[in-house]
Amino acid sequence: RKEVEQDPGPFNVPEGATVAFNCTYSNSASQSFFWYRQDCRKEPKLLMSVYSSGNEDGRFTAQLNRASQYISLLIRDSKLSDSATYLCVVNMRGRDDKIIFGKGTRLHILP
Amino acid sequence: NAGVTQTPKFQVLKTGQSMTLQCAQDMNHNSMYWYRQDPGMGLRLIYYSASEGTTDKGEVPNGYNVSRLNKREFSLRLESAAPSQTSVYFCASSGTGSYGYTFGSGTRLTVV
Repeated sequence: RKEVEQDPGPFNVPEGATVAFNCTYSNSASQSFFWYRQDCRKEPKLLMSVYSSGNEDGRFTAQLNRASQYISLLIRDSKLSDSATYLCVVNMRGRDDKIIFGKGTRLHILP
Repeated sequence: NAGVTQTPKFQVLKTGQSMTLQCAQDMNHNSMYWYRQDPGMGLRLIYYSASEGTTDKGEVPNGYNVSRLNKREFSLRLESAAPSQTSVYFCASSGTGSYGYTFGSGTRLTVV
């Protein structure tokens, strides 16, 4: 099992719809979780951290399920500007920070 | 602006040439990283430095060397560039706590 796995997509979603994607991780010792957004030919940028109790930032909701070892990202009322690749990131803290990136899920919002 | 600065942004090399990619951060982060990103491959870790004076190999270190010059700077060197090293290179840094990474804007390297 890969350390961090994501459905590569693409997810083609009409504007205004709700879309959700998951990310699974293999190491139960993982401690920190993030969603990053990467636009074409740009660097990844932090979208939001993922907390155990779940957290929301505007139209975006992130959830963590430790028992099943996955995190999710829900985007409500999607906008054209949400089109991007979304990277799942897992941080296994220890002697060194070991941060594992998923390969990303591509999202296309259709007008 | 605070963040991670990479230079150069673009570079074309001939096979066998050498070059150094520079990276500096002004966020007082302990950890710094070099990644490469190829189409369909995601981000792959080349080398990282958990603190000043230490460096460790990542997933794809062959053909690269690094130097953690001080807490701010972490450079990546290609001693003899090969076409397989054509890629986009990202430097990143992270601090203590669950704050994730900050990335530089990337270096687009083409080796011909």
